Amino acid sequence: AQTVTQSQPEMSVQEAETVTLSCTYDTSESDYYLFWYKQPPSRQMILVIRQEAYKQQNATENRFSVNFQKAAKSFSLKISDSQLGDAAMYFCAYQPWGAQKLVFGQGTRLTINP
Amino acid sequence: GAGVSQSPSNKVTEKGKDVELRCDPISGHTALYWYRQSLGQGLEFLIYFQGNSAPDKSGLPSDRFSAERTGGSVSTLTIQRTQQEDSAVYLCASSFRTGTSGSSYNEQFFGPGTRLTVL
Repeated sequence: AQTVTQSQPEMSVQEAETVTLSCTYDTSESDYYLFWYKQPPSRQMILVIRQEAYKQQNATENRFSVNFQKAAKSFSLKISDSQLGDAAMYFCAYQPWGAQKLVFGQGTRLTINP
Repeated sequence: GAGVSQSPSNKVTEKGKDVELRCDPISGHTALYWYRQSLGQGLEFLIYFQGNSAPDKSGLPSDRFSAERTGGSVSTLTIQRTQQEDSAVYLCASSFRTGTSGSSYNEQFFGPGTRLTVL
């Protein structure tokens, strides 16, 4: 069974600084998707960034970028120029190619210090 | 446009009672998912509906849990004889049919969830 592990239950960073959230996963599949979701106190999950496993280039969305290491099964999220609005729970998720369900990690609570 | 909506936002019930949680997906989305988020945990897949196909029920934790989707739109998740361990946030998501855009990926859009508390 596929599993996703986030080893950092909590992280904090000063506003305007850079922070990296870690995620590892276990799968025997070669084709899949990886995601980072943000969950603010409103509870609504928001997609931050997506990575296709067949792509070697790391995905980037404005201040958010990933470091995808397929061989190591590692998928970290870097947030640059952290803003107060970035404070939330962040979940790493995995989806096999052609499958529907998402497999989530336990989450990392990110605090931004002003 | 309107996003995924869920009702009620919060539900408190007594152990042993039945509860129904409702999800209204985004108009035009044919795929619908239910997930459960227990306190301090990540999301756990429960069930998936795609059009008129038989649902994927592989994530339902027990036979006390069931779900239906009427008319390919609104879905109801029913928990019978609730237990304290059922206390969690129940999240619904919807998407276009997987493969519609020529790939196997279609973004899942989530609702705000229903927080269920079983006393």
